[in-house]
Amino acid sequence: EVQLVESGGGLVQPGGSLRLSCAASGFTFSDHYMDWVRQAPGKGLEWVGRSTNKDNSYTTEYTASLKGRFSISRDHSKNSLYLEMNSLKTEDTAVYYCVRATPDRFYFYVMDVWGQGTTVTVSS
Amino acid sequence: DIQMTQSPSSLSASVGDRVTITCRASQGIRNYLAWFQQKPGEAPKSLISATSSLQSGVPSKFSGSGSGTEFTLTISSLQPEDFATYYCQQYDSYPLTFGGGTKVEIK
Repeated sequence: EVQLVESGGGLVQPGGSLRLSCAASGFTFSDHYMDWVRQAPGKGLEWVGRSTNKDNSYTTEYTASLKGRFSISRDHSKNSLYLEMNSLKTEDTAVYYCVRATPDRFYFYVMDVWGQGTTVTVSS
Repeated sequence: DIQMTQSPSSLSASVGDRVTITCRASQGIRNYLAWFQQKPGEAPKSLISATSSLQSGVPSKFSGSGSGTEFTLTISSLQPEDFATYYCQQYDSYPLTFGGGTKVEIK
């Protein structure tokens, strides 16, 4: 069974840092792109960033407003994806989802499996 | 950035109704359009990729169509389990962007 389990969320003060983890199982981790998507309380979905797969050298892409503060990485020995978040602001308060992406019928990568999410609260 | 606009932002419908949600892109995205369903307190679920391809396990009452800048999600006969918020998302180019969501409520 394909499974994504996020952890690492919690309460952090403005200006602080946090690292989220996503443990992947049930599929070949290196074959897939992986995304982080967040959802502020009562709001819609916002793409945070992506790690491509082995064939694409695990390159990363980010939404422009977060680039420089947020960083995505992988640990292949642990089949895990990470989101390092620095200089956190109150507006970063959200549920953060880890999402797998798989090639569609046109071989473009599309999100297909979502984790349950982990909650980050930035507050003093 | 490509802006995705969904309409309506909410709708009320009855069990058995046919429901259509529209998603418009600010520029052409070919067929790189996905739909997701989210129920309260749950993670989103993937419904459709590449405009019209149902994800594994998604019932055939869901269908998608469109191309270029205008797309639709149709639920042929609304059931109690379909009351949720639906999001479209383009994946033609970075940054990936979502529509604002359409909340489908019980009439």
